[in-house]
Amino acid sequence: AQSVAQPEDQVNVAEGNPLTVKCTYSVSGNPYLFWYVQYPNRGLQFLLKYITGDNLVKGSYGFEAEFNKSQTSFHLKKPSALVSDSALYFCAVTLVRSSGDKLTFGTGTRLAVRP
Amino acid sequence: EAQVTQNPRYLITVTGKKLTVTCSQNMNHEYMSWYRQDPGLGLRQIYYSMNVEVTDKGDVPEGYKVSRKEKRNFPLILESPSPNQTSLYFCASSSGTGLLEQYFGPGTRLTVT
Repeated sequence: AQSVAQPEDQVNVAEGNPLTVKCTYSVSGNPYLFWYVQYPNRGLQFLLKYITGDNLVKGSYGFEAEFNKSQTSFHLKKPSALVSDSALYFCAVTLVRSSGDKLTFGTGTRLAVRP
Repeated sequence: EAQVTQNPRYLITVTGKKLTVTCSQNMNHEYMSWYRQDPGLGLRQIYYSMNVEVTDKGDVPEGYKVSRKEKRNFPLILESPSPNQTSLYFCASSSGTGLLEQYFGPGTRLTVT
């Protein structure tokens, strides 16, 4: 079985400060990892993904994520937070199977950036 | 404009009254999926479809049905809705396998009384 854990329900950060949103995963095999963002009253939007290769992945809106296989983590980071980054963030893992792919999401972390 | 559309966006219904939530994408995507979002539980996959006439259960399929007769459409059917199916539902699509990012619809908020 595959699973994703986002240990923080909410992360608070001041504008201009760096931010980290944590994610750990559990999967049998090579993980394919994603971050999505959900703004109020909207569907989810893709931010970035890790498939293979460089452990540091860069994505949309200045976000990046670091894949750490030994710690089974895929934390989302941004060097300087903006108030407009305030949203709900979801980490997800997928396992590619011959019977069909299955995407499992974490419970989400609400990011609040104060001016 | 490339998009995933869902209808209706909001629906209030009563227990046992069959309903269908439609989902359509205009990107010629092969993969489509339905999720429900509940507070504290994140998104959970209900059903997914790798292609036309190919569907499979996700994590929480009980009480739901789907069909994929055309590539662009993937309706979600609740034959006999119950209050525990009150939730926010999202349809998503992608151009291939789970390695690719998914495009999400705007969501359908369903209330079953």
